Amino acid sequence: GENVEQHPSTLSVQEGDSAVIKCTYSDSASNYFPWYKQELGKGPQLIIDIRSNVGEKKDQRIAVTLNKTAKHFSLHITETQPEDSAVYFCAASSYNQGGKLIFGQGTELSVKP
Amino acid sequence: ETGVTQTPRHLVMGMTNKKSLKCEQHLGHNAMYWYKQSAKKPLELMFVYSLEERVENNSVPSRFSPECPNSSHLFLHLHTLQPEDSALYLCASSQDARSHYEQYFGPGTRLTVT
Repeated sequence: GENVEQHPSTLSVQEGDSAVIKCTYSDSASNYFPWYKQELGKGPQLIIDIRSNVGEKKDQRIAVTLNKTAKHFSLHITETQPEDSAVYFCAASSYNQGGKLIFGQGTELSVKP
Repeated sequence: ETGVTQTPRHLVMGMTNKKSLKCEQHLGHNAMYWYKQSAKKPLELMFVYSLEERVENNSVPSRFSPECPNSSHLFLHLHTLQPEDSALYLCASSQDARSHYEQYFGPGTRLTVT
């Protein structure tokens, strides 16, 4: 079955700096890769996703890149702000797994003002 | 109410108790999910319901019993739990369980088993 590894587990940056979180996956059939943000006391919320026919996707300060050959994908946050502080989860899924999401272990991002 | 709501938000129960977690989605979705979130671990999918029919049971012990009476409501009935079952239980919904639709999560129920 699919296995998703996420690094780092914690990340601390200064406000205004960039943050990068990386994930690797094992199932070459995976074709959908969402990123979720979980703030304290709340459930995860989708912030961006990418499908296997695209190499990069941007939405304002966040971007996701996908390397299907190497089976890894990354989340990039530029010009970080204190409100970006949260736990971020990557996930992967494939149609032959019924669309089931397999999550990474999470990265706790702290943005210091 | 909008989105996905869960009650209670916090629950403390003994190992011999029986309790239920409730989830309600106000999004008109056809699929609902239960996840377990433990510290320092990935979210673990427990159950998936599509149009009130269970389509996934991820090797969950029988002390967890899900119920989906209609497409808007999902319950998780708990009995004779173990301390290692203490975790955050998250409910989610999506338009369809079989495609890559966004999953919308509720705030979770923080369960402590004593």
